[in-house]
Amino acid sequence: QQQVKQSPQSLIVQKGGISIINCAYENTAFDYFPWYQQFPGKGPALLIAIRPDVSEKKEGRFTISFNKSAKQFSLHIMDSQPGDSATYFCAASRGNYGQNFVFGPGTRLSVLP
Amino acid sequence: KAGVTQTPRYLIKTRGQQVTLSCSPISGHRSVSWYQQTPGQGLQFLFEYFSETQRNKGNFPGRFSGRQFSNSRSEMNVSTLELGDSALYLCASSYGLAGPKETQYFGPGTRLLVL
Repeated sequence: QQQVKQSPQSLIVQKGGISIINCAYENTAFDYFPWYQQFPGKGPALLIAIRPDVSEKKEGRFTISFNKSAKQFSLHIMDSQPGDSATYFCAASRGNYGQNFVFGPGTRLSVLP
Repeated sequence: KAGVTQTPRYLIKTRGQQVTLSCSPISGHRSVSWYQQTPGQGLQFLFEYFSETQRNKGNFPGRFSGRQFSNSRSEMNVSTLELGDSALYLCASSYGLAGPKETQYFGPGTRLLVL
């Protein structure tokens, strides 16, 4: 019940295309859903996050869509650029006490020029 | 503001040895969390320290331990190393006052290879 599933494992998109990564969770106690971006040799960096009382959040080219009833959320990268090539992790956490995240297995995105 | 720093960046140990990794958080941050990242298991939460106290703990055996000092710097120790402990160990820091919804900043990690 603590698991967060993520798909696809890898994704290849042409420059200017839309990249879509999907995540699903089981634990309905989760109440915070961030996405992290990780470049080779670097630690993950927070990209965008959403709470379950919101169905969509957009920041620049990045949008999270959240479906509470389906227990699914997804990351959309519009106008994908080669610089977006990285590994993306969805995550989930609950409560207001401390940092305790469950991460998805990651999606390796390659954007072709 | 300087980011999260981790030392050493690379480490090679043999089975049965122990290892200590260090993490210096961003100035002003009092929460330090540790994660293990492997190709097979992905990113897994080890534990979180806040004001020198362990506040959260993941599902790892007791061989994995940590501590935090009064200046918020943190160390994690792995005793009796096993081959499966080979991983990238990441630490992340935050102010620690607003729970998971507070942005945490990751360091570059320490890559540990156990032979």
